[in-house]
Amino acid sequence: QSALTQPPSASGSPGQSVTISCTGSSSDVGTYNSVSWYQQHPGKAPKLMIYEVSKRPSGVPDRFSGSKSGNTASLTVSGLQGEDEADYYCSSYAGSNIVLFGGGTKLTV
Amino acid sequence: QVLLVQSGADVKKPGASVTVSCRASGYTVINYYIHWLRQAPGQGLEWMAIVNPNGGETHYAQKFHGKVTTTRDMSTNTLHMELSSLTSEDTAVYYCARDGSYTWSSSRYYFDYWGQGTLVTVSS
Repeated sequence: QSALTQPPSASGSPGQSVTISCTGSSSDVGTYNSVSWYQQHPGKAPKLMIYEVSKRPSGVPDRFSGSKSGNTASLTVSGLQGEDEADYYCSSYAGSNIVLFGGGTKLTV
Repeated sequence: QVLLVQSGADVKKPGASVTVSCRASGYTVINYYIHWLRQAPGQGLEWMAIVNPNGGETHYAQKFHGKVTTTRDMSTNTLHMELSSLTSEDTAVYYCARDGSYTWSSSRYYFDYWGQGTLVTVSS
């Protein structure tokens, strides 16, 4: 199984919105709703931001939203704030106890 | 609160083995799956294995079959991950992370709580 494809970088000004894509295949993103997104600040452990495509854990601002269309999942961050600057990783289940990650997107605010 | 506390950083020589520990607290440990993941320096995340603390059943990513072994000590709510035949490519931060699903149902393969990470450096 190949890793999921994310753009290496994304950027936006404070208050703007940015969308990060995560492209897989019909064997992973296209089949399973087990797509999740993680935020990672330098030197820190990842933090769950979105799970099961579009669900937001308690405590995650509603500025973060997720969606999926076909083999591509997306994370949208609205009303960008400085603390949103981080690396973002998508993940998808691919069946048979296989979990795939994207290569990560560095978000610059 | 849910906490996953991992063992400290370690330096090993090529060919050696290393064990990373993950002590869980703040919840009923046997009720949630635990995953092991790693992140090489400057690289992305890589999933390694899923453990059911309630019985110990483990499934490994194909790449880690025969290289990774997981054990558990439920008297201390601690899970262990042993990585053998180390090479420089195993230099990474290793994480344990809790699955969002109860162990009496299928894993949902998302990671809602993470340990702080354990840096393993393989160097001669």
